[in-house]
Amino acid sequence: QSVLTQPPSASGTPGQRVTISCSGSSSNIGSNTVNWYQQLPGTAPKLLIYTNSHRPSGVPDRFSGSKSGTSASLAISGLQSEDEADYYCATWDDSLNGWVFGGGTKLTVL
Amino acid sequence: QLQLQESGPGLVRPSETLSLTCTVSGGSIGTNYHWAWIRQPPGKGLEWIGSIYYSGSTYYNPSLKSRVTISVDTSKNQVSLKLRSVTAADTAVYYCARHDGLYVSFDYWGQGTLVTVSS
Repeated sequence: QSVLTQPPSASGTPGQRVTISCSGSSSNIGSNTVNWYQQLPGTAPKLLIYTNSHRPSGVPDRFSGSKSGTSASLAISGLQSEDEADYYCATWDDSLNGWVFGGGTKLTVL
Repeated sequence: QLQLQESGPGLVRPSETLSLTCTVSGGSIGTNYHWAWIRQPPGKGLEWIGSIYYSGSTYYNPSLKSRVTISVDTSKNQVSLKLRSVTAADTAVYYCARHDGLYVSFDYWGQGTLVTVSS
C-alpha cells in the first residue's frame, strides 16, 4: 500500500490527451512539491516533471504537471506510442521524514 | 555527462548482508548533492531506501533504518549501500540516484542492478 495513490492503469489512443492523478495528504503533497518519473520497459526511471510543473531540458512540452491541495496530476497531450510506460509520482513526507512514491500507473497507448 | 553505475553481487543468501556500490563518473561526488538508493521489487513500484549528503549526513527510510547503512567515499567517487539480515522480500532492482537537495527531485539515475535473495 503506497502512501501516494495513483490509478494502476490508464490508456488512450494516439493524439489523445490523458491525465494521471496522484493523491496524498497534508504531510506530503499538501506541504511539498511533487515530481513525476517515467519508466520505459526495462529501463531506469527518468525525471519527467519536477517541482510540480517544471520540465527538465529535453522533455517535450506535451508533458505537463500540476498540483492542487493534496493532489497532483500529470497530463500528456498528443499521445504517442513511445509514451507507453509506467509513471510514478513522488514527494517528501514530513511525517515519515522520507521520500514516498505512488504505486505507479501503467500507460497503454491503444 | 554524469553517469552512475551500480555494482555488487547479484545473489545474496537469506540473513546475510547485501552490499552494493554506486560509482559516479563525469562529475565529483564531493559537491553539494545528495545521493540516494532506491529499489524496485520485480513487477512492483519504487521504494526510497535512504540518502546521504556528500559530507556524510544520512537519511533513512524509517521502515528500513534498523538494517541500512549508506556511506560515501569521496576519494573513489563512490556511494555504498549495506542492507543487513536480508530476506526474499529484499529481492529487487537497486538504483542509485542523485538529488540536488534532500527535498529535491532525483535527476540522475543509474541503470540499476538486480539483487536476488535466495538460498
